[in-house]
Amino acid sequence: EAGVAQSPRYKIIEKRQSVAFWCNPISGHATLYWYQQILGQGPKLLIQFQNNGVVDDSQLPKDRFSAERLKGVDSTLKIQPAKLEDSAVYLCASSLGPGGSYGYTFGSGTRLTVV
Amino acid sequence: AQTVTQSQPEMSVQEAETVTLSCTYDTSESDYYLFWYKQPPSRQMILVIRQEAYKQQNATENRFSVNFQKAAKSFSLKISDSQLGDAAMYFCAYRSAWEYGNKLVFGAGTILRVKS
Repeated sequence: EAGVAQSPRYKIIEKRQSVAFWCNPISGHATLYWYQQILGQGPKLLIQFQNNGVVDDSQLPKDRFSAERLKGVDSTLKIQPAKLEDSAVYLCASSLGPGGSYGYTFGSGTRLTVV
Repeated sequence: AQTVTQSQPEMSVQEAETVTLSCTYDTSESDYYLFWYKQPPSRQMILVIRQEAYKQQNATENRFSVNFQKAAKSFSLKISDSQLGDAAMYFCAYRSAWEYGNKLVFGAGTILRVKS
C-alpha cells in the first residue's frame, strides 16, 4: 500500500511569512495526526483529526497555526505568520482508527526553516 | 499527563555487539502501549517494536527485544548483533489505551552510532 505522502519536503521562509504543508494519508485511514519535531526533541502532537473533525488541538498555537482536513482525506497545516521558533520538522501520520491498538504510519515530514 | 524520559542522548556500539537503550515513563493508567521508533536521516518514523502493558511477556522482533518492567515504569530496548543500518535516532513512546484522542507521547530520543 502507498504510504503517507507529505509535501513539500523542505521549505525555507522568512519570519512573518506564511507557509502551508500538505498531507495525504493512507487510503481508508480515518485518523490523521500532525506532529511538530523541533531539533533535538521528540515529536509533539499539534492536532488530531477523526475523519474531518478535530479530536485534539490542545497544543496547537491557534493564533498562528491552523489546520483542516478536506472531506476526511487530505489535510493542510498552515502557519501565518511564521516565527523563528517554528523551525522544525512537521510530521503527518495516519491510522485506521483512534484506538490505542491501531498502529501509526508516518510520512517523511517537511523540514521548515524560518530565517 | 504522561511523560517519557530517555536519559541517554547518545550511545555507541561496535558492529555485531549488543546495545541497550533506556526509557522510563510516568503514568497513572494501568492499560497502555509502549513503542520504540527508529528515525533515520530520511526522517520517516519506523516502528521497531511494540508492547502492550497488560502482557507480561516481553516483546521480541528478530534482533530487537524489550525489557518491560511495569512496576518500575521502565521500557528498555536491546539491539543484538548490531548492524550499520541500525544507526539512527531512537524514540521511546507511550500511548494510552483508553483516551479517544490517544496521541503518542515521545521521549527526547537517543542517537545510536554503530562503529565498523
